Amino acid sequence: GQSLEQPSEVTAVEGAIVQINCTYQTSGFYGLSWYQQHDGGAPTFLSYNGLDGLEETGRFSSFLSRSDSYGYLLLQELQMKDSASYFCAVRGADYGGATNKLIFGTGTLLAVQP
Amino acid sequence: DAGVIQSPRHEVTEMGQEVTLRCKPISGHNSLFWYRQTMMRGLELLIYFNNNVPIDDSGMPEDRFSAKMPNASFSTLKIQPSEPRDSAVYFCASTGTADFEQYFGPGTRLTVT
Repeated sequence: GQSLEQPSEVTAVEGAIVQINCTYQTSGFYGLSWYQQHDGGAPTFLSYNGLDGLEETGRFSSFLSRSDSYGYLLLQELQMKDSASYFCAVRGADYGGATNKLIFGTGTLLAVQP
Repeated sequence: DAGVIQSPRHEVTEMGQEVTLRCKPISGHNSLFWYRQTMMRGLELLIYFNNNVPIDDSGMPEDRFSAKMPNASFSTLKIQPSEPRDSAVYFCASTGTADFEQYFGPGTRLTVT
């Protein structure tokens, strides 16, 4: 089967740093993505890791360790507008290589407090 | 670009009725995805198309659900007959070849009473 595990909720204060972890078990793996979804909105892309290591995009960074089937999203200098749900998603692979199929985790609700 | 367009944005219908959700992907994108989101089950992939061809429909819950993509700029997801447990937000997303970023539409909030 396929599963992705994330904490259900995380709370942090403005200006702080928060890390959201994701562990996965999938039959095929090509990369790990992160999406943000505000309440009532659509998921929007944040970051993608195709290789092990750290990817940095402004205040957000994402890390992948294929050997540990583990990744995380790091949010720095938290702002109130970062309050949202964050999803990790595995990009699948088959005999032909990468597929465009994404399997999403259950999501982590981040609450940023003043 | 207008982004992924979905219609209707909200749909309220009675159990047993047919429901058709519509999606227009971003021009030039060749992969289209239908997702369903509920509190209980999270964000589930129902079906996806590459170049208008269904590639993986393993997430389609049952025969009451069907999806078509008659051309590169239009797709439908149909539920017939609808049931209260189908109440959810249905998202359509698209992406280009070798592109890992999926672009989601605003979603259709379906309520079946």
